[in-house]
Amino acid sequence: TQLLEQSPQFLSIQEGENLTVYCNSSSVFSSLQWYRQEPGEGPVLLVTVVTGGEVKKLKRLTFQFGDARKDSSLHITAAQPGDTGLYLCAGGGNTGKLIFGQGTTLQVKP
Amino acid sequence: GAGVSQSPSNKVTEKGKDVELRCDPISGHTALYWYRQSLGQGLEFLIYFQGNSAPDKSGLPSDRFSAERTGGSVSTLTIQRTQQEDSAVYLCASTQGPTRGKLFFGSGTQLSVL
Repeated sequence: TQLLEQSPQFLSIQEGENLTVYCNSSSVFSSLQWYRQEPGEGPVLLVTVVTGGEVKKLKRLTFQFGDARKDSSLHITAAQPGDTGLYLCAGGGNTGKLIFGQGTTLQVKP
Repeated sequence: GAGVSQSPSNKVTEKGKDVELRCDPISGHTALYWYRQSLGQGLEFLIYFQGNSAPDKSGLPSDRFSAERTGGSVSTLTIQRTQQEDSAVYLCASTQGPTRGKLFFGSGTQLSVL
């Protein structure tokens, strides 16, 4: 069974601080996606990484896929209150099924 | 429609009753997923449809849960003899095909079993 474990599960920080969220698995994934979800809405895709070692940047967000394609990280620089939300990683394999981690709830205080 | 549509948005039912949740995916999307989410938690995979292939039902928690996708479009998730532990948000998503593609999610159905 493929599992994705995210850490930390909850993070409360002050505006301007940096943070990193981790997504780890013992399984290899062909792709890894990061989503952000706000209350009452479905998750929205932030990025997809497919190559081991790949790094993608989206404004203040930096995403990295591990060399072995078993783990990923999301780093946010100078967090803002608008970054508050539930961050989810999701791994895809060759079968088409997409498995999600349990999520990281981020609260950025002004 | 422009996005994934789910109905109803909220459903309150009594323990033991059957419920049907509906998902209208984005037109042309061949892949459709159902997930379950408890408050503030991650998404639990339930079932995956891809084109005309047999669905991946490996995530369905019990035989009380079933899903159909008619004509490769609309999908219905049915929960029979609902239990209180079935209370959750049920999310549907669709994509054009490969898992590397972007999943488009509906806003979900909040199911409350009393």
